[in-house]
Amino acid sequence: NAGVTQTPKFQVLKTGQSMTLQCAQDMNHEYMSWYRQDPGMGLRLIHYSVGAGITDQGEVPNGYNVSRSTTEDFPLRLLSAAPSQTSVYFCASSLRTNHEQYFGPGTRLTVT
Amino acid sequence: QQQVKQSPQSLIVQKGGISIINCAYENTAFDYFPWYQQFPGKGPALLIAIRPDVSEKKEGRFTISFNKSAKQFSLHIMDSQPGDSATYFCAARGDYKLSFGAGTTVTVRA
Repeated sequence: NAGVTQTPKFQVLKTGQSMTLQCAQDMNHEYMSWYRQDPGMGLRLIHYSVGAGITDQGEVPNGYNVSRSTTEDFPLRLLSAAPSQTSVYFCASSLRTNHEQYFGPGTRLTVT
Repeated sequence: QQQVKQSPQSLIVQKGGISIINCAYENTAFDYFPWYQQFPGKGPALLIAIRPDVSEKKEGRFTISFNKSAKQFSLHIMDSQPGDSATYFCAARGDYKLSFGAGTTVTVRA
């Protein structure tokens, strides 16, 4: 099992550009989520999904879109990048009945 | 505002010493309290977790103490080792969502 994979590992964007962060898991987990990690703020939930076709907002959803067309994939789209979105982004997954979340290795995004 | 407050922000402990990290929460609907360990450049990994109907859980050198009435829980790292140097996050789960504390960077000096 590869677990949770994320691409790219690093990305630099200019203000106003759009991009998609990829996340995939091969553990057949129903639950997937996206977090951003900023110094001194821990991890904050952006969006989450409890199964294919179902998504919902987390704590900091503005400026981000998600979709869940398959169990395996949960991409995060930045619509118009802003410097405030400079962060490290983590994707995580878990079984719906088991609370243990498995995290990916992260994507470090810089918006200039 | 953060739903889980974590302290201290950082701590330094000698090898063999005890590290203690504290967390507090307000939402009584939280039903699961995990601790995550994160090494630089890596994603967080589950270390140990507890449910609110248990007051203490121990796994090896790591112990969670949980005080439901005070809405507080803590992580104790016994016999701290240099390999324990990492950032530790407490979290609380409610309604499918995890709320994280701000994190504590632990440095174990040999």
